[in-house]
Amino acid sequence: RKEVEQDPGPFNVPEGATVAFNCTYSNSASQSFFWYRQDCRKEPKLLMSVYSSGNEDGRFTAQLNRASQYISLLIRDSKLSDSATYLCVVPRGINTGKLIFGQGTTLQVKP
Amino acid sequence: NAGVTQTPKFQVLKTGQSMTLQCAQDMNHNSMYWYRQDPGMGLRLIYYSASEGTTDKGEVPNGYNVSRLNKREFSLRLESAAPSQTSVYFCASLITSGANVLTFGAGSRLTVL
Repeated sequence: RKEVEQDPGPFNVPEGATVAFNCTYSNSASQSFFWYRQDCRKEPKLLMSVYSSGNEDGRFTAQLNRASQYISLLIRDSKLSDSATYLCVVPRGINTGKLIFGQGTTLQVKP
Repeated sequence: NAGVTQTPKFQVLKTGQSMTLQCAQDMNHNSMYWYRQDPGMGLRLIYYSASEGTTDKGEVPNGYNVSRLNKREFSLRLESAAPSQTSVYFCASLITSGANVLTFGAGSRLTVL
């Protein structure tokens, strides 16, 4: 099993739709998790951090399910500008500084 | 505020040539990283440096060497480039290994013919 695994998509949704991505991880000791956003040919940028059960920021909600070892990202009322690749990030170990990325999920929001 | 600066942005090499990718950060961060990104593979960690004077292997270190020259600079060297090393390379830094929020450079696109 890969350390961090995501469905690559692409997810094609209309504007205004609600869409959710999952990310599974193999290290049950992981304590913190992150979602990064990457636009085409650009560097990744932090979208959200998840330290406990979940986190919400406007239209974006990240949730953590420790029992099943996955995190999810929910986007409500999708905008054209949400089109990007969303990367799940899990530290390998505690305070090791080794941050492992999933392969990314591509979202395309259409008018 | 430059953040993380990588050079060069683009490079074309022939198989067997060597080159060094340079990375510098001006945020006084302790930890620095080199990732490569290939289509459908996400970002894979090549090497990282938790602090000045230390380096450690990541997921895909073969064919690469690194140098943490000082706190600001972390270079990645390809001694004998191979077509399999064609990729986009990202340098990143964070304040400390417990912080976990990476700041990335703009990327270096390398093609090996």
